[in-house]
Amino acid sequence: EIVLTQSPGTLSLSAGETATLSCRASQSISSNYLAWYRQNPGQPPRLLIYDASSRATGIPDRFSGRGSGTDFTLTISRLEPEDFAVYYCQQYVNSPLTFGGGTKVEIK
Amino acid sequence: QVQVVQSGAEVKKPGASVKVSCKASGYSFTTYPLHWVRRAPGQRLEWMGCINTGTGFAIYSQKFQDRVSITRDTSATTAYMVLSSLRSDDTTVYYCARSGDTTCYSSINYWGQGTLVTVSS
Repeated sequence: EIVLTQSPGTLSLSAGETATLSCRASQSISSNYLAWYRQNPGQPPRLLIYDASSRATGIPDRFSGRGSGTDFTLTISRLEPEDFAVYYCQQYVNSPLTFGGGTKVEIK
Repeated sequence: QVQVVQSGAEVKKPGASVKVSCKASGYSFTTYPLHWVRRAPGQRLEWMGCINTGTGFAIYSQKFQDRVSITRDTSATTAYMVLSSLRSDDTTVYYCARSGDTTCYSSINYWGQGTLVTVSS
């Protein structure tokens, strides 16, 4: 099973700042089959990025993903109120599909 | 528009089974697989399994292999997840969600609202 480790656990920032989130895999993720999700309280996760760097439908260009192999990054520019949430990475190259433990972006 | 709507909250006793339904609409039901994901203790998301809605073939996480069954009814455009031998640590929110691609090895781009299952004596 591919284990995904996200860091930091919590990120304290102000609106308008830039958030940089990390996701490290226990083994290489081929074809960059990695996604990022945002989950706001009481809501289901929302897909932000798939295939490591492609934005999902309706996702603004403030969100960008990069990386390959075992190291992946999600960058969120110009943080808006709805961006203060928990973010998860997910790999879909192998079964079981697995998620990272999450990074909480909170208001400083 | 694509919609994934799950059945309502359930309360079950330890050892019982629960069946959660997931009605999908707004697209060709048999084209995209449906996944089941739950919140693990500590809030990590846990993938339980996925069903190819065209063939009916399902794959499962080994963690749940012995206790979970995912099926679908194409005429009702609905998938079902049955979790058996319930324990207190199965108390959490369960999500049904649609694959972004035509295989289970895909990101997940449409999520249901979640179903809270509570296991309590």
